[in-house]
Amino acid sequence: QQQVKQSPQSLIVQKGGIPIINCAYENTAFDYFPWYQQFPGKGPALLIAIRPDVSEKKEGRFTISFNKSAKQFSLHIMDSQPGDSATYFCAASTGSARQLTFGSGTQLTVLP
Amino acid sequence: NAGVTQTPKFRVLKTGQSMTLLCAQDMNHEYMYWYRQDPGMGLRLIHYSVGEGTTAKGEVPDGYNVSRLKKQNFLLGLESAAPSQTSVYFCASSSPWGLAGARSSYEQYFGPGTRLTVT
Repeated sequence: QQQVKQSPQSLIVQKGGIPIINCAYENTAFDYFPWYQQFPGKGPALLIAIRPDVSEKKEGRFTISFNKSAKQFSLHIMDSQPGDSATYFCAASTGSARQLTFGSGTQLTVLP
Repeated sequence: NAGVTQTPKFRVLKTGQSMTLLCAQDMNHEYMYWYRQDPGMGLRLIHYSVGEGTTAKGEVPDGYNVSRLKKQNFLLGLESAAPSQTSVYFCASSSPWGLAGARSSYEQYFGPGTRLTVT
């Protein structure tokens, strides 16, 4: 049972484009929603995160939009660059140890 | 600071063999986690620990055991490896404490991973 559903599985955009990755969750106990970026052969690294009391958060070229009533959140990458090519995972956190439940990942390719 | 390190980086096992994966962190984090990553399935939590001497099951604990004898180390054991345990294993750590006066970000810091193949 996948509690966090992520789409699309893969995404190809031209340099300067705005890729959008979407996630949806069911468990209303989730209270922290991070996005992780993973390059081949490396561990995931935190990119940006949001709490459900705000609807949008921007950090540089990365923006999270959050819709609490729809239980959906998305990642937008402005002015995408070839260096942004990586796998992106959404996640949701709850529990005593802030355990993360990950989405299935989106492989992003930004063409030069 | 080295952050989170994992040993070994690669390993090939035969069905039925046992092994232990070591995770070490030098950030004085209370929480530690073990995940497995499989194609198309993201990362799934195997076991986690909220402190020295404590462990708890995650989403996919069957076939694995863990121990946290020291705060900085978290060991993942496979007693009798099966081909279904072929995966990339990641360790992570986090802290419930943020900077003084600030809420913790709950950020999990991941190690570089261990690629395990069971034949």
